[in-house]
Amino acid sequence: GAGVSQTPSNKVTEKGKYVELRCDPISGHTALYWYRQSLGQGPEFLIYFQGTGAADDSGLPNDRFFAVRPEGSVSTLKIQRTERGDSAVYLCASSLTLSNEQFFGPGTRLTVL
Amino acid sequence: DQQVKQNSPSLSVQEGRISILNCDYTNSMFDYFLWYKKYPAEGPTFLISISSIKDKNEDGRFTVFLNKSAKHLSLHIVPSQPGDSAVYFCAASAYTSQGNLIFGKGTKLSVKP
Repeated sequence: GAGVSQTPSNKVTEKGKYVELRCDPISGHTALYWYRQSLGQGPEFLIYFQGTGAADDSGLPNDRFFAVRPEGSVSTLKIQRTERGDSAVYLCASSLTLSNEQFFGPGTRLTVL
Repeated sequence: DQQVKQNSPSLSVQEGRISILNCDYTNSMFDYFLWYKKYPAEGPTFLISISSIKDKNEDGRFTVFLNKSAKHLSLHIVPSQPGDSAVYFCAASAYTSQGNLIFGKGTKLSVKP
């Protein structure tokens, strides 16, 4: 069956630009999570959604980062005024209900030049 | 300040022998622990978990041990196979923030034929 998909797989942008990263969760999964993995580190929690609402956004590093999930399925992570330090792999995961056992997508590798 | 620590960046084991991956944590609020496995260019895959009310959980070749007093857990793989070669992440979650996983930096396991 189809797993979690993320687009694009790679994104190169210039400092100061705006980017959007998309996540398509497994069909029927109500919970959706975003993580960021920098080089040599483990994934770092950013935000999770239960349905359409952000249930925990405590991991978003600052107000340049924003995520939406308007219909309770696809989610978009939006980063404004990108900085070189935002370069990382952005991972999306989903689960049937809120769970620690999450299904991860392959990630979007973001490079800010 | 790392709440979940994997102090060995890499481990090399002979095929058929036991692999032991270690993880330490500092936050006493953590009550659920997981191991994820990651191949290159893929997202992490859930492997095995353990609740803080248990001290051992076994699933086939994989066993996780939890020592709450030492704030330490370990993953045992017996027998190790070349296909087990991957990066293994330890993760933890607190009941008050379920779904918000705190990951270690990972240990790269190489199983040599």
